[in-house]
Amino acid sequence: KAGVTQTPRYLIKTRGQQVTLSCSPISGHRSVSWYQQTPGQGLQFLFEYFSETQRNKGNFPGRFSGRQFSNSRSEMNVSTLELGDSALYLCASSSSGLSYEQYFGPGTRLTVT
Amino acid sequence: AQKVTQAQTEISVVEKEDVTLDCVYETRDTTYYLFWYKQPPSGELVFLIRRNSFDEQNEISGRYSWNFQKSTSSFNFTITASQVVDSAVYFCVLTDSWGKFQFGAGTQVVVTP
Repeated sequence: KAGVTQTPRYLIKTRGQQVTLSCSPISGHRSVSWYQQTPGQGLQFLFEYFSETQRNKGNFPGRFSGRQFSNSRSEMNVSTLELGDSALYLCASSSSGLSYEQYFGPGTRLTVT
Repeated sequence: AQKVTQAQTEISVVEKEDVTLDCVYETRDTTYYLFWYKQPPSGELVFLIRRNSFDEQNEISGRYSWNFQKSTSSFNFTITASQVVDSAVYFCVLTDSWGKFQFGAGTQVVVTP
């Protein structure tokens, strides 16, 4: 089985712009979750989608949003980028959700200048 | 509120030594799940083990073993006979049935030949 894929792998944006990241889960997995990893805050949970519905959400501002399509692929959008949004964004998929093992993608490294 | 504490920031060992990683958690929920994930230098998190709050049985899987004790809210992880490939950051993770998801700060393991 192919693993979780994320595109793009690297991205450079300017403060104030918006960005969309994409994640393709393992075939058959209906749960997709997103995480932000920074040196200062560590790994933080953003949100989880299951069958096109947001099921769980972390403590991030509304600038961070996502969606999931009928084929379980997911996108994450960050609007009005701030310097502090520079991070590694990880996507993970699971067959059943957050209570089960997550399979992570390689991440998208976002740099905001 | 949930909290996961990994007090060890970095552990350095020589190959073939055993490594024990400590994890202490806090939650008010009676149903919760604990995980260990590994993040090698490549950046992709890899699932290692999962335990639910109703199963305190400790097991060994290859060179990995874990010690789950609800009485002390600890979920420690041991690598036996460490190898250079074990060098990575190890994260303890807590999630509950309500979808709250919390990573520990991580412990960097450095195994030298």
